[in-house]
Amino acid sequence: DVKVTQSSRYLVKRTGEKVFLECVQDMDHENMFWYRQDPGLGLRLIYFSYDVKMKEKGDIPEGYSVSREKKERFSLILESASTNQTSMYLCASSTTWDGQNEKLFFGSGTQLSVL
Amino acid sequence: KNQVEQSPQSLIILEGKNCTLQCNYTVSPFSNLRWYKQDTGRGPVSLTIMTFSENTKSNGRYTATLDADTKQSSLHITASQLSDSASYICVVSAGNTDKLIFGTGTRLQVFP
Repeated sequence: DVKVTQSSRYLVKRTGEKVFLECVQDMDHENMFWYRQDPGLGLRLIYFSYDVKMKEKGDIPEGYSVSREKKERFSLILESASTNQTSMYLCASSTTWDGQNEKLFFGSGTQLSVL
Repeated sequence: KNQVEQSPQSLIILEGKNCTLQCNYTVSPFSNLRWYKQDTGRGPVSLTIMTFSENTKSNGRYTATLDADTKQSSLHITASQLSDSASYICVVSAGNTDKLIFGTGTRLQVFP
């Protein structure tokens, strides 16, 4: 089974802190994604990466940055956490869509609270 | 604007009953449509994925349908179980970019 592991299930941080959310996948997937999920809203894409050291902005990149130094690891960084970044953060990984089978797998999520 | 709308927002049913969740989309060009199940506090897990040419697809007690002409999909759950209590998310993939457009989900609660 594909495993996408997020390092923390719950995090509580203070406004202005630098926050690192870590994600590791064990299936040698090329693509990795960071989403946030808020009540009443669909998942929104923050950043994604198609290869090591590559990154692309998603729909809501403001206030975030990412790092992908190794293929299996994709980190989301909140440079200076703010209360409006309180949310559930979901990491996902995938291989290229082959026209038939699901290739996108999610981690269990990190519930981040910024006080 | 690419959008995915789901109904109802929430649903309560008794164990053993059937139910149907709806998904309407305005995504173009269309690549595929997926249904995910998300347990509380967990990441989404794929149930089905359908391309343009597929009208129906089953995964155990879950059956998804797709009408590409009317841009509608449904997820039918047969003989519901307590473990079916979760959010069900409809996701449409847009064209060559494979950009995913997420619905806001239907929250299903199954009571004994």
